[in-house]
Amino acid sequence: KQEVTQIPAALSVPEGENLVLNCSFTDSAIYNLQWFRQDPGKGLTSLLLIQSSQREQTSGRLNASLDKSSGRSTLYIAASQPGDSATYLCAANTGGFKTIFGAGTRLFVKA
Amino acid sequence: DVKVTQSSRYLVKRTGEKVFLECVQDMDHENMFWYRQDPGLGLRLIYFSYDVKMKEKGDIPEGYSVSREKKERFSLILESASTNQTSMYLCASREGGEGEKLFFGSGTQLSVL
Repeated sequence: KQEVTQIPAALSVPEGENLVLNCSFTDSAIYNLQWFRQDPGKGLTSLLLIQSSQREQTSGRLNASLDKSSGRSTLYIAASQPGDSATYLCAANTGGFKTIFGAGTRLFVKA
Repeated sequence: DVKVTQSSRYLVKRTGEKVFLECVQDMDHENMFWYRQDPGLGLRLIYFSYDVKMKEKGDIPEGYSVSREKKERFSLILESASTNQTSMYLCASREGGEGEKLFFGSGTQLSVL
């Protein structure tokens, strides 16, 4: 059974710092891994999707990597800003209609 | 980008009421999903639909039903709302392929009193 874990559960950093959020999954047989951002009381906003055949994807200050063999994905945020404060979730698509979500990392960027 | 619209941001209902949550997507996606999100439990799949009038149970379908009469619209129905159904409900859609991206609506926070 696929399990997705995100560490740390919460993170507080000063503005301008580069940071890495971690996501691990127990079964390497995934179709893709997707990173989302969720603001309090809101829905999920898709940030990046990495297909199983890819190693990384980039969008602006965000870079996501995928290492299937080790069951890990990371989301790198460069030059963090207070507006980046949110909860970040990763989700592993295990095939069919099954997507397993991590519990999220709550990020706070201090001005 | 894809727009997934949930009709209500907040709903307050009484125990025993029949509740309808509506979701509409504008990109002709084949697949639509209903999740609920609870603190400490994360996102859990209630139902999904892969075509008009086609539906499949997810991990926690008890107490819920769904309807998909048109491709763009997927409704979640609470036949007789109970307090343990107080939750954030999230609708999502996706194109047909398994490798495609999930797009979410803005969520409906439902309180059952």
